[in-house]
Amino acid sequence: EAQVTQNPRYLITVTGKKLTVTCSQNMNHEYMSWYRQDPGLGLRQIYYSMNVEVTDKGDVPEGYKVSRKEKRNFPLILESPSPNQTSLYFCASMFPGEETQYFGPGTRLLVL
Amino acid sequence: QKEVEQNSGPLSVPEGAIASLNCTYSDRGSQSFFWYRQYSGKSPELIMFIYSNGDKEDGRFTAQLNKASQYVSLLIRDSQPSDSATYLCAVTTRAQKLVFGQGTRLTINP
Repeated sequence: EAQVTQNPRYLITVTGKKLTVTCSQNMNHEYMSWYRQDPGLGLRQIYYSMNVEVTDKGDVPEGYKVSRKEKRNFPLILESPSPNQTSLYFCASMFPGEETQYFGPGTRLLVL
Repeated sequence: QKEVEQNSGPLSVPEGAIASLNCTYSDRGSQSFFWYRQYSGKSPELIMFIYSNGDKEDGRFTAQLNKASQYVSLLIRDSQPSDSATYLCAVTTRAQKLVFGQGTRLTINP
């Protein structure tokens, strides 16, 4: 089954404790992206990657890191999480030029 | 001015009626326009895309694009309770960036 998976789905952590949210897709997509979704603000792009070893900042990259060592994986790293990073996070992937972007199930993060 | 703007709602429509969702965008060079549906607690899923001025129909859904007015809309005919969701408008800007609106919450009342 074609899918994008994210782990964990839910996470409660404390300020400053490094965490990683994993994202994996099995569709051989070149393009992958991370979004955060907050009430009233819609989906905002954090980082995206056009292919292996190619990453770029989206609209809200501060406080986040990503890496793309393999085509299928695109982890999101919060080196020192803060409460304002409490949000719902989505990973997505697609073939560039195609219309459909496939979203993962989301990761709900609470930073205390 | 927000790059993509939607009325956040909630929009309440009786079952069987037409639901009309609207979206405006600021980048006149935008090329591609998308409508996503997001059920509560779920991830967004693409339901329509449109590139050219005019209407595009797919079943009960019609997307309408007016580039001169920088306006895109989604009509849902014969609304069903299962259409109750948040609808996200997304636009690809001239810089090839996909920008989402804040979403409109739609409720279909039986």
